[in-house]
Amino acid sequence: KQEVTQIPAALSVPEGENLVLNCSFTDSAIYNLQWFRQDPGKGLTSLLLIQSSQREQTSGRLNASLDKSSGRSTLYIAASQPGDSATYLCAGNTGNQFYFGTGTSLTVIP
Amino acid sequence: DGGITQSPKYLFRKEGQNVTLSCEQNLNHDAMYWYRQDPGQGLRLIYYSQIVNDFQKGDIAEGYSVSREKKESFPLTVTSAQKNPTAFYLCASRHLVGSNSPLHFGNGTRLTVT
Repeated sequence: KQEVTQIPAALSVPEGENLVLNCSFTDSAIYNLQWFRQDPGKGLTSLLLIQSSQREQTSGRLNASLDKSSGRSTLYIAASQPGDSATYLCAGNTGNQFYFGTGTSLTVIP
Repeated sequence: DGGITQSPKYLFRKEGQNVTLSCEQNLNHDAMYWYRQDPGQGLRLIYYSQIVNDFQKGDIAEGYSVSREKKESFPLTVTSAQKNPTAFYLCASRHLVGSNSPLHFGNGTRLTVT
């Protein structure tokens, strides 16, 4: 069974700083890896999806990478803003199922 | 606008009562999913459905039931057999299972059972 880990569990940075969130998975046989954002009491909003054949995906200030051989994905956030404060989750798709990490809670301090 | 609608947002029930959570999508997605989210834990899959009138158990299906009579609807019933039903429930959908299409989520239903 796929296990997904996200470290750190919480992160606090000053506004304007660049940061990296980490996601590791145990089974490299994934179709894709998806990054989500979750605001308190809300559902998950999809940020980026990286297919297994890709190494990177970019959307605005966000850049996600995928290294299947090492079982790792990173989400890079450039020039962080207070509005980026949320919990970020990653999920590996093995076909019929998605396996989620427990998330990294990000606080960007003005 | 297309999306996934979960209702109600908050639900309160007494122990021993069954309760049904609604999930409707107008994205024309084939697959629909129910997840449960508890503090400090990742999302756990309860049930999923790939086509109408067919569904499969996820990792924590005990005490739950679902139906998929229409493509756009996938209601979840939390039965009295579920030992710890208080949680945040999330419905999701996507195009054909096995493809590289992203998973989309509704805004969730918070169920409290006392």
